[in-house]
Amino acid sequence: QVQLVQSGAEVKQPGDSVKVSCKASGYTFSSNTISWVRQAPGQGLEWMGWVSAYNGHTKYEQKFQGRVTMTTDTSTDTAYMELRSLRSDDTAMYYCARVYYDTHGMDVWGQGTTVTVSS
Amino acid sequence: QSALTQAASMSGSPGQSITISCTGTSSDIGAYNLVSWYQQHPGKAPKLLLYEVNKRPSGVSDRFSGSKSGNTASLTLSGLQAEDEADYYCCSYASSSTPYVFGTGTKVTVL
Repeated sequence: QVQLVQSGAEVKQPGDSVKVSCKASGYTFSSNTISWVRQAPGQGLEWMGWVSAYNGHTKYEQKFQGRVTMTTDTSTDTAYMELRSLRSDDTAMYYCARVYYDTHGMDVWGQGTTVTVSS
Repeated sequence: QSALTQAASMSGSPGQSITISCTGTSSDIGAYNLVSWYQQHPGKAPKLLLYEVNKRPSGVSDRFSGSKSGNTASLTLSGLQAEDEADYYCCSYASSSTPYVFGTGTKVTVL
């Protein structure tokens, strides 16, 4: 079946970087875009950016510009999201999601990766 | 890009219908028919309920329907069931520079 499986929970210190992976299976990985969405504890969903698995093109939400890098590896059907200069308010659940072609609906979601930033 | 505005909470009795509104601007909801809705149960990943305002993915109950008027999109839950108790988020395509903006979320309680 179509699924996205994310890497495990991370605990980081302020100033560190974190890299979360998202492995796709059950569909042609290069056909779609992967979005990254985060959710702070008790808060709503926040779109961070997307990466095209077709050509690697990216688009980032302005607040993350300069601190985030999203990439894909088509040899392993895996997307990555790296966030640098971590702060305590980056503590959140991070999700990857497949954007279904031009519908712009995010139809398949990973299970989420908890990132905790604490000294 | 500011978040789309949703009521923080709504409730209804089993069998009733409720409508969740999502208000944006002429730059997002008003500009595109690319509104999607997501359901999120506690501790779970969001699930796509509707895309392109009113289209349901395969497997989503027809008790969920969507509409749009001007800068406001709406999600209607008909025949409320206990399992509908969850958080609901709208999302709109906004522009090529900042493609997506989510709503603030609505917690639905089934009484």
